Amino acid sequence: KAGVTQTPRYLIKTRGQQVTLSCSPISGHRSVSWYQQTPGQGLQFLFEYFSETQRNKGNFPGRFSGRQFSNSRSEMNVSTLELGDSALYLCASSTQTGGYNEQFFGPGTRLTVL
Amino acid sequence: AQRVTQPEKLLSVFKGAPVELKCNYSYSGSPELFWYVQYSRQRLQLLLRHISRESIKGFTADLNKGETSFHLKKPFAQEEDSAMYYCALSGHGVTGGGNKLTFGTGTQLKVEL
Repeated sequence: KAGVTQTPRYLIKTRGQQVTLSCSPISGHRSVSWYQQTPGQGLQFLFEYFSETQRNKGNFPGRFSGRQFSNSRSEMNVSTLELGDSALYLCASSTQTGGYNEQFFGPGTRLTVL
Repeated sequence: AQRVTQPEKLLSVFKGAPVELKCNYSYSGSPELFWYVQYSRQRLQLLLRHISRESIKGFTADLNKGETSFHLKKPFAQEEDSAMYYCALSGHGVTGGGNKLTFGTGTQLKVEL
């Protein structure tokens, strides 16, 4: 099976712009989670989508949003970018049969905000 | 609130020496704990989870609820064990289910020859 893929791998934006990141989960996986990784804060949970519905949400401002499509692919959007949004954004997918299921991570999208 | 603490940013050991990566957690419910590993230029991947009670690549971790700890151990370190290790806790969202991991800040393990 192909692993989780994320596009683009690298992005450079300027403050005030918006950005959309994409994640394609492993075939058959219906849950997609997003994480932000920074040197200062480490890995932080953004949100999780399952069957096109946001199921869990982390403590991030409303500028961070996401969605999931019927084929389980997911996008996350960050509006009005700030310098502090520079980070590696990781996507993870899993099956969902109840409780916690192993998450498989993608390679990440490196976002740099200038 | 749930929290995972990994007190060591870097742990350096010699090949063949025992390894212990520390992890403490704070969680009001019944926790589910994991260790994730990231080798150089590779993706983050699950190493082991406490409910499996298995040894992976020689690593074991025991959940100690009294001490709220989940330390990762290996009796004899190998060069290929050099990597970044993250302890993580699965919290449940509003719906009571789903996948929501709280990660520690990670410990870089360096195994020297």
